[in-house]
Amino acid sequence: DTGVSQDPRHKITKRGQNVTFRCDPISEHNRLYWYRQTLGQGPEFLTYFQNEAQLEKSRLLSDRFSAERPKGSFSTLEIQRTEQGDSAMYLCASSSPLGVSTDTQYFGPGTRLTVL
Amino acid sequence: DAKTTQPNSMESNEEEPVHLPCNHSTISGTDYIHWYRQLPSQGPEYVIHGLTSNVNNRMASLAIAEDRKSSTLILHRATLRDAAVYYCILSKTPSGTYKYIFGTGTRLKVLA
Repeated sequence: DTGVSQDPRHKITKRGQNVTFRCDPISEHNRLYWYRQTLGQGPEFLTYFQNEAQLEKSRLLSDRFSAERPKGSFSTLEIQRTEQGDSAMYLCASSSPLGVSTDTQYFGPGTRLTVL
Repeated sequence: DAKTTQPNSMESNEEEPVHLPCNHSTISGTDYIHWYRQLPSQGPEYVIHGLTSNVNNRMASLAIAEDRKSSTLILHRATLRDAAVYYCILSKTPSGTYKYIFGTGTRLKVLA
């Protein structure tokens, strides 16, 4: 199965530390999305890439957050100086709208971050 | 961005049909209706999508109102594995905004 994969699946860190998550999209999908989900809520959009270009960022993405997709394949999401409020599930999704009528996104299993 | 409204929770008996409603009164002509479901500690799983006509796949059916202001996800025979949070989302065509806006979804409980 070549679905969206995320690494690590779980991360526990201390407040103030930096963390980095990786997402590998479905092969040949040119769009990649990051969402954040807190307990009891639906996922919230953070940012998305088309190929290597970051085309939209949410206001949720403070200056402590940075995302990259250097070669238009995998992506990384880095959180600097983590805070307890960053504890959440971070979800990655990919899509390939070319030649289709809408942009159906396929999600990975997520990375659960716990900040102590 | 157009929003959707869903009941917070629903219950169904195993092997009975389930109809999950979604209201999207501000839908625009180019919005597609997507349904996803999410099991605990997993990412959302694509279920089905449609634009105007009713749609069927191996997982479910999607019934879309004639005015497109509401839709219903139909699980023909609920199983215990269908217990999840179901999200109804509007998405644009590739020329529009791509991000999904999730609500809190409907938590479906399936009773054995």
